[in-house]
Amino acid sequence: AQSVSQHNHHVILSEAASLELGCNYSYGGTVNLFWYVQYPGQHLQLLLKYFSGDPLVKGIKGFEAEFIKSKFSFNLRKPSVQWSDTAEYFCAVNALSSGTYKYIFGTGTRLKVLA
Amino acid sequence: GAVVSQHPSRVICKSGTSVKIECRSLDFQATTMFWYRQFPKQSLMLMATSNEGSKATYEQGVEKDKFLINHASLTLSTLTVTSAHPEDSSFYICSARFRGPYNEQFFGPGTRLTVL
Repeated sequence: AQSVSQHNHHVILSEAASLELGCNYSYGGTVNLFWYVQYPGQHLQLLLKYFSGDPLVKGIKGFEAEFIKSKFSFNLRKPSVQWSDTAEYFCAVNALSSGTYKYIFGTGTRLKVLA
Repeated sequence: GAVVSQHPSRVICKSGTSVKIECRSLDFQATTMFWYRQFPKQSLMLMATSNEGSKATYEQGVEKDKFLINHASLTLSTLTVTSAHPEDSSFYICSARFRGPYNEQFFGPGTRLTVL
């Protein structure tokens, strides 16, 4: 079965530190990949997405992600985090399952940025 | 574009009552809508997929009779939690997609259900 792994469950960083959150998926077919952010008590917001083309994707708020097909990975990066980046981050894969495309979400990474 | 709304945003109900949550695509026709559930500090779990005019397809372990889904039009899907109990308290999120090359889903803001 398809799955998405986010190995870092909790990450604590100081402001201005660099961030990299891992995301690996298991699916052999064509995938669309997404990173979402959920601020405390708020709804899901799309950070960035990959469908095809340049494997380095730039999103909102200074985030970027790199699709490495050979590693089945789509890691999220930000060169310098801010206190306001404190949130939960979800990686998702859109894959064909039982005849329809469905999103499979990772378990999420809770990021805390210390001021 | 591609805005999805949910109503209500929060609902508190007594145990044993039924609660209906609406999901609307505001500026596009949604051929498929999805319902997710998110427990506190956990990820989103897909509950069911619904196509306009047909019965919903439920994920394994989701009770069809408890979570009634109706996708009556291309812009509206409803989730009814029947005979709600405290363990049904959760954040329910819908998403919608239109017919396109990437099958991208657009998410609603969610509905927080608290069953007393």
